[in-house]
Amino acid sequence: KAGVTQTPRYLIKTRGQQVTLSCSPISGHRSVSWYQQTPGQGLQFLFEYFSETQRNKGNFPGRFSGRQFSNSRSEMNVSTLELGDSALYLCASSGKGAGDTEAFFGQGTRLTVV
Amino acid sequence: GENVEQHPSTLSVQEGDSAVIKCTYSDSASNYFPWYKQELGKRPQLIIDIRSNVGEKKDQRIAVTLNKTAKHFSLHITETQPEDSAVYFCAARRGGFQKLVFGTGTRLLVSP
Repeated sequence: KAGVTQTPRYLIKTRGQQVTLSCSPISGHRSVSWYQQTPGQGLQFLFEYFSETQRNKGNFPGRFSGRQFSNSRSEMNVSTLELGDSALYLCASSGKGAGDTEAFFGQGTRLTVV
Repeated sequence: GENVEQHPSTLSVQEGDSAVIKCTYSDSASNYFPWYKQELGKRPQLIIDIRSNVGEKKDQRIAVTLNKTAKHFSLHITETQPEDSAVYFCAARRGGFQKLVFGTGTRLLVSP
């Protein structure tokens, strides 16, 4: 059974650009959550999606957005990139219910903003 | 909002010793508490979890305890091995949602 797949694995972008990251959950999983991991702030929650609906949003500026498609795949977008957006972006996939199941992480997308 | 505190930030032990990592959460509505292990350059991997209706759970050398009254939960690793060296994160979650609130992580170093 394939795990959570995130693409691309690495990205280098320039300040002011925008970026789109993709996450394919484990087959059959309907929940996807996104996290930002930095050495200074640790793992911070970005968004949570279930059946194409955003159910929860973390404390990030509006430049960070996301969506989920009918096949449960999810994307997140960051516009007007800042140096501080450099981080490892992780998505986590959870089971068939809206909650109460284990979350499994993808390998992440390492974003570097220069 | 929800806050999870984790201690210690670093922990060095000799192979074969036990290691204990402690977390405290603030949201009394949290009912699920997973622990993740993250090796350098890799994804966080779920190693054990506990739900609020259980006080203790064990899986081979790893155990987790939960004290709902005190809002504390702890990870216990016995007979540590060098391959246990990693960063360990605790987390808390409310029922019905997937949002995990993470602790700041504990870097565990097991020396041979």
